[in-house]
Formats: sequence, C-alpha cells, structure tokens
Amino acid sequence: AQSVTQLGSHVSVSEGALVLLRCNYSSSVPPYLFWYVQYPNQGLQLLLKYTSAATLVKGINGFEAEFKKSETSFHLTKPSAHMSDAAEYFCAVSRERGDKLIFGTGTRLQVFP
Amino acid sequence: KAGVTQTPRYLIKTRGQQVTLSCSPISGHRSVSWYQQTPGQGLQFLFEYFSETQRNKGNFPGRFSGRQFSNSRSEMNVSTLELGDSALYLCASSSDRPTTDTQYFGPGTRLTVL
Repeated sequence: AQSVTQLGSHVSVSEGALVLLRCNYSSSVPPYLFWYVQYPNQGLQLLLKYTSAATLVKGINGFEAEFKKSETSFHLTKPSAHMSDAAEYFCAVSRERGDKLIFGTGTRLQVFP
Repeated sequence: KAGVTQTPRYLIKTRGQQVTLSCSPISGHRSVSWYQQTPGQGLQFLFEYFSETQRNKGNFPGRFSGRQFSNSRSEMNVSTLELGDSALYLCASSSDRPTTDTQYFGPGTRLTVL
C-alpha cells in the first residue's frame, strides 16, 4: 500500500534561512506527489506537484521540490524563509492518475524574525 | 472566479444525530472530493464524485455517504454521529482528475459532536 512519511511535525527557522521539509513515500510504481500548504482556518492550497515530468518541480511562493526515486523522497525547499511562510505543510502521494490522494501527517513551519 | 464554498462553516451536533454538509465547487469543475481532518488521524480521504457518480471511496464506515447533483454541487451526510466524528471536513474540486488537475480546497466545515 502506498503511504507518505513527513519527518518532523514541527520545523522552526529564522527569517531568511533555508526551509527544508522532508517527505518520503512508499509506492510500488512511480507515483504522483504533491505538496500542499494550509494556513490557519483555511483549506489547503497546492504548492506544487510531480507527475513524472521534470524531477525538479518549481511551485508557487518560491518553493521547489526534487523527486529522487533512489531515495524515495520528495523534499520541499525554499532558499529564504519569509514570515508569511508560517503554516502547515502536507505531502501527499497517489499511485496512479485515477487514484485517491494519501496525505502525510503534516509539518508545522514556524518562522522567527 | 469564485472559489470552493462550504456551508455551514461551523456545526454543533449531539451524538446520534445526523448531519448534512454542502459543497459548491468552482464553476466548471466536475470532480468533488471530501476529506476529514482531525488532530489524531490527519487528513483522510472520504470519497470523490465526478458527474454525479462516486468514482473513489476511502475507508470510512457506511454512516458516511455523499452525493453529487447535476450542477456538480455535492453534499455529504453522516448519520448516527459519534464523538469521534468531530473534525474539519474539507471539500475540494478539480476539473477532472485530482492527480493531474489542480485541486482547489474550500475553507471547511468544522463539526463538533457533543
């Protein structure tokens, strides 16, 4: 069965520092992978997705993620954190185009001035 | 273009009652998915509807049901409410497949079961 693991339920960085949120997946076939962000009292917003095209995926708000099949990872990065990046981030996986999305448990990002 | 709307935003019910939540997708979107979000279980997929047909289903008991109307609006129903059903219920819409087409989420309905 497919699943996704997010390492670290809380990550804290200083404003301007590198953001690295970790996501590892398990899937028997090349998956679809997603990163979503959730701000307080709001629904989720898609940051970026991997659908077997380029392994380095660029998303909104300066975020990007790299699909590494050998490591079964899809870590999310941003070179310089901004206060407005404080939110909860979810990694999700789907095995095939018509399948449901399986979400990780989320990582709460705090950004300190 | 208006986003995904969910009504009501907040709901308080007692055990044993039933509840109906509503979701209006973005205009032109035919796929509507429902998720349950709780602190303990995280985000879990309930079901997806496309053109009035359930296309995908998660691992929830039969007390959870849904439907989609010809205008793509969707409702989900929970019967015989239990305390553990307290959660944020999120609806998301996409033009077709949630995997290849961007899925847009509504703000959610927060259900509290007393």
